[in-house]
Amino acid sequence: EPEVTQTPSHQVTQMGQEVILRCVPISNHLYFYWYRQILGQKVEFLVSFYNNEISEKSEIFDDQFSVERPDGSNFTLKIRSTKLEDSAMYFCASRNRVLDTEAFFGQGTRLTVV
Amino acid sequence: KNQVEQSPQSLIILEGKNCTLQCNYTVSPFSNLRWYKQDTGRGPVSLTIMTFSENTKSNGRYTATLDADTKQSSLHITASQLSDSASYICVVTLMTTDSWGKFQFGAGTQVVVTP
Repeated sequence: EPEVTQTPSHQVTQMGQEVILRCVPISNHLYFYWYRQILGQKVEFLVSFYNNEISEKSEIFDDQFSVERPDGSNFTLKIRSTKLEDSAMYFCASRNRVLDTEAFFGQGTRLTVV
Repeated sequence: KNQVEQSPQSLIILEGKNCTLQCNYTVSPFSNLRWYKQDTGRGPVSLTIMTFSENTKSNGRYTATLDADTKQSSLHITASQLSDSASYICVVTLMTTDSWGKFQFGAGTQVVVTP
């Protein structure tokens, strides 16, 4: 079965440091997403990416966040200067063109900012 | 505002028993409604996808229903097993001009199956 792969599974970083979370979506998918889930809370949308550009972003996705698809396979989320409140599980997801088909989530990266 | 509300927040059931989880949404228009299972510390895994024209969808012991008129969905778990202990999340795929294809998540129902 196809899967979305995320690395690392867990990252601990000091406040103010930059982090890059990596995702390898399913190869023939066209739409890519980042979501986050703060411990004990619901999953929140961060950003969607299509055709090499951001198609939508939430209020959470401020200037400290950026996404890239540098080489046609990886999809990265960068947080430039981490804050304590950025501690969360970050999930990458991908789907193909058709809206009603399966969207696959990765296993997540647990980011802990200390 | 697009909302997805789930109830109950949590429930405990005995192994072998059935249970039903509820989802009410205000999202309109929407493309489909999905139920995901999320084990602690893991990514969500899809159980069912229903378009607005479908009333029911089954996946093994999981059966989802959808009433697009009342904007309600339910997930029924039959003959629960210990491995069913997880959070069950209702997700609606938005189809508005501002949010095409974006997922709106419910807060989930935490299910605990006890021996």
